[in-house]
Amino acid sequence: AQKITQTQPGMFVQEKEAVTLDCTYDTSDPSYGLFWYKQPSSGEMIFLIYQGSYDQQNATEGRYSLNFQKARKSANLVISASQLGDSAMYFCAMRERDSSYKLIFGSGTRLLVRP
Amino acid sequence: GAVVSQHPSRVICKSGTSVKIECRSLDFQATTMFWYRQFPKQSLMLMATSNEGSKATYEQGVEKDKFLINHASLTLSTLTVTSAHPEDSSFYICSAARRESNTEAFFGQGTRLTVV
Repeated sequence: AQKITQTQPGMFVQEKEAVTLDCTYDTSDPSYGLFWYKQPSSGEMIFLIYQGSYDQQNATEGRYSLNFQKARKSANLVISASQLGDSAMYFCAMRERDSSYKLIFGSGTRLLVRP
Repeated sequence: GAVVSQHPSRVICKSGTSVKIECRSLDFQATTMFWYRQFPKQSLMLMATSNEGSKATYEQGVEKDKFLINHASLTLSTLTVTSAHPEDSSFYICSAARRESNTEAFFGQGTRLTVV
């Protein structure tokens, strides 16, 4: 079974608007962490935001926020006030407590910001 | 933030030769490093987990004799693609975990390997 599912292969958003990228996960481990990364065409993986399974509040980092719904096992990324430079691939990833820190990635969503 | 340096960023090699890729944590001790492979327009697939001073743990389907991993120190892990073939052409990227934190994962810049 897929551990991390990203159902949107591609998304468009108008510059300055907000966009939500979906991510659902599957785990039986009560302790886990969820990550979002941005990958521009250069290939580097840019860390955006982290949410721990025991965190009471949704994580926020600047224009990025994570809509964490634990019961639904979803961890959607919200990007506010989109910029042209936000156009990239976005990956959701999960790390489980007993996984030796390894990250398992979703299939990714390609975001294109329109001027 | 912590820095992970990966070298080379691009390499072209002939079929049958071997290529070594280095992954260094520049300002922290990485007890564990990970090697991922990414085909065009696809996600990152974990190849192996590398622990300093011990043998790497390979994911199912990854040939350990073809992808040799060495983690000789707390700051350096290497991936050697042996007897490379065109189908090994891919983007390889490493990640390092810091001993003190499980809420972070730092990635190198990646290596684009082309086998001709």
